[in-house]
Amino acid sequence: GDSVTQMEGPVTLSEEAFLTINCTYTATGYPSLFWYVQYPGEGLQLLLKATKADDKGSNKGFEATYRKETTSFHLEKGSVQVSDSAVYFCARHASGGSYIPTFGRGTSLIVHP
Amino acid sequence: KAGVTQTPRYLIKTRGQQVTLSCSPISGHRSVSWYQQTPGQGLQFLFEYFSETQRNKGNFPGRFSGRQFSNSRSEMNVSTLELGDSALYLCASRDTGQLNTEAFFGQGTRLTVV
Repeated sequence: GDSVTQMEGPVTLSEEAFLTINCTYTATGYPSLFWYVQYPGEGLQLLLKATKADDKGSNKGFEATYRKETTSFHLEKGSVQVSDSAVYFCARHASGGSYIPTFGRGTSLIVHP
Repeated sequence: KAGVTQTPRYLIKTRGQQVTLSCSPISGHRSVSWYQQTPGQGLQFLFEYFSETQRNKGNFPGRFSGRQFSNSRSEMNVSTLELGDSALYLCASRDTGQLNTEAFFGQGTRLTVV
């Protein structure tokens, strides 16, 4: 079946460091790709999305590019802040008319001052 | 606009009992989906309702069921609870049925089965 694979965490960084969280997906059809973020005690909220190959999603300094050739959608940020500490989920929505979203296992990010 | 509201926030039930969780989507959203989040399995899709019809279903046993009302509010029911059903149950709504629209999540209901 469809799957999304994320790098395991936790990822621990110092403030202002560069962040990359890897995400790869199964290439069935033409899925839309998403990054969601979950802060402690809350539900998920959309961080960014890309709906077709070569699209770049961006928000709050985070970026991710839909790479069809490598089936990847890596999340990057040039300079992380303590407030970015959260769990990040990569997700794909199925194509072909079926909404059966698949989420990665989540990557915990801890940013130290 | 008010966000997605889930009630109750916390619930403790005994094995063998049943439970009903409620979700009120963002006003105007017709799609409501449910997810189970556990440390071991991550976030797993349960089912999606659109205009009162279950449109998609994940790989969960029949003990997990749901419904959607004409005002788009949705309920999820779990019968004959097992210890392994302890999880955070998240509900999300989307404004259309298109695949490229994002989901807006509620804060979840934390279910503990003892």
